[in-house]
Amino acid sequence: GQQVMQIPQYQHVQEGEDFTTYCNSSTTLSNIQWYKQRPGGHPVFLIQLVKSGEVKKQKRLTFQFGEAKKNSSLHITATQTTDVGTYFCAVHGSGNTGKLIFGQGTTLQVKP
Amino acid sequence: DGGITQSPKYLFRKEGQNVTLSCEQNLNHDAMYWYRQDPGQGLRLIYYSQIVNDFQKGDIAEGYSVSREKKESFPLTVTSAQKNPTAFYLCASRPGHYNLIGELFFGEGSRLTVL
Repeated sequence: GQQVMQIPQYQHVQEGEDFTTYCNSSTTLSNIQWYKQRPGGHPVFLIQLVKSGEVKKQKRLTFQFGEAKKNSSLHITATQTTDVGTYFCAVHGSGNTGKLIFGQGTTLQVKP
Repeated sequence: DGGITQSPKYLFRKEGQNVTLSCEQNLNHDAMYWYRQDPGQGLRLIYYSQIVNDFQKGDIAEGYSVSREKKESFPLTVTSAQKNPTAFYLCASRPGHYNLIGELFFGEGSRLTVL
């Protein structure tokens, strides 16, 4: 079935440093979504990318969809302690079934 | 306020007992989902439903059952056949069905512990 690999699994950074997480698929994706889960919380939608090569920004967060629509990245510039949490990508399973599959997530720790 | 309500928030169960987790949404969403999350791991899909009276198995459906008799409700039963049921269970919904657009809205989760 459809799988998506997300790396790294964990990342520890000093406050102010940048952070990037990557999602990779072996098949072409129709779109990709990104979610953030704060410790003890539930996932919250951040953004959806649909077009090949698409780049979207939300303040210090930059999301990118690969030209081949097989990979995506989330980059945070100058991390803050409020960025702590786990970031997930989510993709649709093959076929138009509505199935949404999540990557394993990248847990970000930020040292003040 | 519109949203997704999961109950109970915490649940303890003895081995061999079935337990049902409730998920109710008043967002008028067609599609609903159940995910399981284990410590340090991602979300794994248990079951999902695109419309009333229809649902599909996800990647880890064994030992679980669901029903979708009403649009707003999608309860999950963890049966005694589930060998390792201790986990955090998340219910989600999204508008539309069988489409590729639209984000998931999650409930706050139910934490099940088997004693």
